[in-house]
Amino acid sequence: SQQGEEDPQALSIQEGENATMNCSYKTSINNLQWYRQNSGRGLVHLILIRSNEREKHSGRLRVTLDTSKKSSSLLITASRAADTASYFCATDATGANSKLTFGKGITLSVRP
Amino acid sequence: DAEITQSPRHKITETGRQVTLACHQTWNHNNMFWYRQDLGHGLRLIHYSYGVQDTNKGEVSDGYSVSRSNTEDLPLTLESAASSQTSVYFCASSASGAHEQFFGPGTRLTVL
Repeated sequence: SQQGEEDPQALSIQEGENATMNCSYKTSINNLQWYRQNSGRGLVHLILIRSNEREKHSGRLRVTLDTSKKSSSLLITASRAADTASYFCATDATGANSKLTFGKGITLSVRP
Repeated sequence: DAEITQSPRHKITETGRQVTLACHQTWNHNNMFWYRQDLGHGLRLIHYSYGVQDTNKGEVSDGYSVSRSNTEDLPLTLESAASSQTSVYFCASSASGAHEQFFGPGTRLTVL
């Protein structure tokens, strides 16, 4: 069964707007990661947030983690057409020993 | 630069044939993973390895096998291909104790 569930399934925004994507999970985790996948390509790691962290930034990316609600959000600020991709959250569950469980992904379309 | 490669990139085969997908990484990572990606299911773990001679079953391992004879390679074998194994297959690797995974470009397999 899927550990991470992203929301929404698809998101379409205008260039320059912010994009917010959410992920919920079911069990305790060591960390939560976000990956991007461009069409026809492999996944690329974006950012990792540990279970004892609440917020993390990397360039235009901001990730939050609420372990009490078992949820995370990924914010992409000032979106660009090049941000068009699928985004996946992945959880490294406690005791999983570096195995990740991926959600089904969110398709983000950024209109120029 | 270190990288992870997969071959072939595209493969068409017939039901019942044995198929082997190659994965080669030059990161010198101990951990290697095989996933399949299907519409509506996200990425699902097939097999994984934490080092030479170590292999483990993932969520959807039936009909698949792997072997790890060296650090760089983790070939995935479909013993008797079935139409349900038509999918895109991704190989990934990570360092021991680390959590970020590096993905290959994928192999699109069609079983007729």
